Amino acid sequence: DAGVIQSPRHEVTEMGQEVTLRCKPISGHDYLFWYRQTMMRGLELLIYFNNNVPIDDSGMPEDRFSAKMPNASFSTLKIQPSEPRDSAVYFCASSQTGFGYGYTFGSGTRLTVV
Amino acid sequence: GQNIDQPTEMTATEGAIVQINCTYQTSGFNGLFWYQQHAGEAPTFLSYNVLDGLEEKGRFSSFLSRSKGYSYLLLKELQMKDSASYLCAVREVGTALIFGKGTTLSVSS
Repeated sequence: DAGVIQSPRHEVTEMGQEVTLRCKPISGHDYLFWYRQTMMRGLELLIYFNNNVPIDDSGMPEDRFSAKMPNASFSTLKIQPSEPRDSAVYFCASSQTGFGYGYTFGSGTRLTVV
Repeated sequence: GQNIDQPTEMTATEGAIVQINCTYQTSGFNGLFWYQQHAGEAPTFLSYNVLDGLEEKGRFSSFLSRSKGYSYLLLKELQMKDSASYLCAVREVGTALIFGKGTTLSVSS
């Protein structure tokens, strides 16, 4: 398997623009997670899905952030409008049901909002 | 909510042994994980503990004491390539993994 695939790897955008991050989980994994990583706050959970259904979005910073999972092989995280404080590395991870299964992370998207 | 604490930085020399501690406070504990993250890369899964005791996997071992809310990751025969950030993560029942801020380990020759 190719692992968790994220795109783009890098994104530089101007404040106020819409940003869409994409993720393809590992085939057969029924959980998908979006995390954000910064030096100050570490790795923060934003939202996660089980069988394409959002389970917990309490980590989404505010209404500017939205996430969807229209099918088992694709998810998006959208920021509209973007702000400089959104600059971070955004990771998507997937997992399968079972206590001992760790998460497999994608390579991440480094977002810079100027 | 959860509170996960681990040291910010540690240094060690090649061939040595290092222990990275993690303490946590949760309600409804459902497993503790350790991840390794090299600079500019994604975290990768190292180990999982759900019962008390030591889990050994090659040069790496992880220990858990649920009553004390304590875990450690033990790295033996350190190599330069072990220089990375080590993340402790805890899962409560019905939630996703919550990560500590990580311990940056620097291995020198």
